[in-house]
Amino acid sequence: DVKVTQSSRYLVKRTGEKVFLECVQDMDHENMFWYRQDPGLGLRLIYFSYDVKMKEKGDIPEGYSVSREKKERFSLILESASTNQTSMYLCASSLHLGGNGYTFGSGTRLTVV
Amino acid sequence: AQTVTQSQPEMSVQEAETVTLSCTYDTSESDYYLFWYKQPPSRQMILVIRQEAYKQQNATENRFSVNFQKAAKSFSLKISDSQLGDAAMYFCAYRGYGGSQGNLIFGKGTKLSVKP
Repeated sequence: DVKVTQSSRYLVKRTGEKVFLECVQDMDHENMFWYRQDPGLGLRLIYFSYDVKMKEKGDIPEGYSVSREKKERFSLILESASTNQTSMYLCASSLHLGGNGYTFGSGTRLTVV
Repeated sequence: AQTVTQSQPEMSVQEAETVTLSCTYDTSESDYYLFWYKQPPSRQMILVIRQEAYKQQNATENRFSVNFQKAAKSFSLKISDSQLGDAAMYFCAYRGYGGSQGNLIFGKGTKLSVKP
């Protein structure tokens, strides 16, 4: 019954590598989001998208980019990974309007060494 | 801009007892939604309960209920008959209407421990 799938649960990458985090949802949701979660800081919004090929910056977009070529897939890209990007990354999706909240993926714990 | 504050970084409760997690928010809007999410060690964020601001009646889902005080901008979560499986991070969240105002804004979370 998985509805939002993140491709990797754990990932270890080297500094300077280009990193792709993939997220796929099967609920035909318009909106998709990428958050990073750090202890004591809660969830911080990196990027979001309301439609295919559309993207908007969140609160902490620096060092990240995104791609949404298909409605069901939203990719987070770290162009040149750095150690301060070591974190838990959560993908979520939602309907555009209404009070149904978000459906989250299981998260990817990324370590940059 | 809207903000959500959870003033209790950690809480502890004895199994079978009741615990209340606090949440306050700041908004100038009159219509919005409020949510509580649970994140167990498995990391999957799960929606626990939600409240529409226009509804005066407090939402209830089995052992989980809220105390929604719109004028005070307070939205606390009460867990009755606490179980070991309730141990998790709990996040309070606010969602406005439409556009970027419809993005969820999260508090920093409260870590709940349940003692057997």
